Amino acid sequence: GQNIDQPTEMTATEGAIVQINCTYQTSGFNGLFWYQQHAGEAPTFLSYNVLDGLEEKGRFSSFLSRSKGYSYLLLKELQMKDSASYLCAVRDQESSGTYKYIFGTGTRLKVLA
Amino acid sequence: DSGVTQTPKHLITATGQRVTLRCSPRSGDLSVYWYQQSLDQGLQFLIQYYNGEERAKGNILERFSAQQFPDLHSELNLSSLELGDSALYFCASSKGGRPHYGYTFGSGTRLTVV
Repeated sequence: GQNIDQPTEMTATEGAIVQINCTYQTSGFNGLFWYQQHAGEAPTFLSYNVLDGLEEKGRFSSFLSRSKGYSYLLLKELQMKDSASYLCAVRDQESSGTYKYIFGTGTRLKVLA
Repeated sequence: DSGVTQTPKHLITATGQRVTLRCSPRSGDLSVYWYQQSLDQGLQFLIQYYNGEERAKGNILERFSAQQFPDLHSELNLSSLELGDSALYFCASSKGGRPHYGYTFGSGTRLTVV
């Protein structure tokens, strides 16, 4: 079946580095997305990985290992405004050729002063 | 303002009714995605259209349908509404093609079924 797991909550200190892990099981993996969502707001797209390796975008980096079904989002130099939920999502290609997007339940990150 | 416009922002309706949610994508974007977010189920992908054609489908109920019009705006129709359909409905748009271009979300429509 299709499944995505990520921790429910994490806490970190302002200025620190935090790594949010995501493991997935899909039959037709075709890319992994990370989104940030502040409470009461719409999600914001952060990154997309389809090949193994690390993609860096400013303070945020995302890593993918397809053989391990594993990804992480790395946030450096944490700021208070980074307190939000971080959603991992996978694009799955079905045998018919169509795509499906499966979301994890999100990791709620609290950044403390 | 993200450039993706969703109307209405709030909607309250009774069980058994039908509603239409509207989404105008960002200028130049050809793809529109619909999502449902409820407290107990998190963010769920419903359906994607690209330049008027259905491109991807999630766990969208048969009571729900969507379409994308020639001017690229999209509508999500929800019928025979149930209490459990109460949720935030988001629309997102993208250029289409490579996902590296990213996705832009609208601010959502909050649907309350009473």
